[in-house]
Amino acid sequence: AQSVTQLGSHVSVSEGALVLLRCNYSSSVPPYLFWYVQYPNQGLQLLLKYTSAATLVKGINGFEAEFKKSETSFHLTKPSAHMSDAAEYFCAVSDRGNEKLTFGTGTRLTIIP
Amino acid sequence: DTEVTQTPKHLVMGMTNKKSLKCEQHMGHRAMYWYKQKAKKPPELMFVYSYEKLSINESVPSRFSPECPNSSLLNLHLHALQPEDSALYLCASSQDLFVGELFFGEGSRLTVL
Repeated sequence: AQSVTQLGSHVSVSEGALVLLRCNYSSSVPPYLFWYVQYPNQGLQLLLKYTSAATLVKGINGFEAEFKKSETSFHLTKPSAHMSDAAEYFCAVSDRGNEKLTFGTGTRLTIIP
Repeated sequence: DTEVTQTPKHLVMGMTNKKSLKCEQHMGHRAMYWYKQKAKKPPELMFVYSYEKLSINESVPSRFSPECPNSSLLNLHLHALQPEDSALYLCASSQDLFVGELFFGEGSRLTVL
């Protein structure tokens, strides 16, 4: 069964600094991987997804993630943090893209002015 | 139109009340989902409808009763809930069953007294 582990339930970065949110997956088959963002009092919004095409995936709001099979990782990065990036971020995995999503426990990103 | 609309946004009910949560999408999606999200936790899948038929019930207690009147609407009927059922209830839709991006509504925040 697939699963994802998000290291760090809470990450704080200064405005303008690099954002790095970690996600490691466990899957018996090549997975589909997703990053979702949840702003306060809102639903989830898809940031980006990996579906076995390019290993470097670019998403919305300047975020990107790199699929590394050797490290079983799909870390989310953004070169320069903005105050508006403060939110909860969830990594999720799906086997073959046609199975239900399994979410990680989430990482709360705080931006320090 | 890429929205999933949920009503009401907030609901307070007693343990003997009967209430309903509503969800609507006009993207032509054939799969619709109910998730439950407790504070600081990832969403948990409750029910999935595909082509207006219940495809997945994640062993949810019978006090939660889903209904899909047509391809655009999804209801969640609530009866005799417990305080521990207080949570954010998220509706989502996708092109087909676990195919394509999940579009989430903003959620209905339920408080059971």
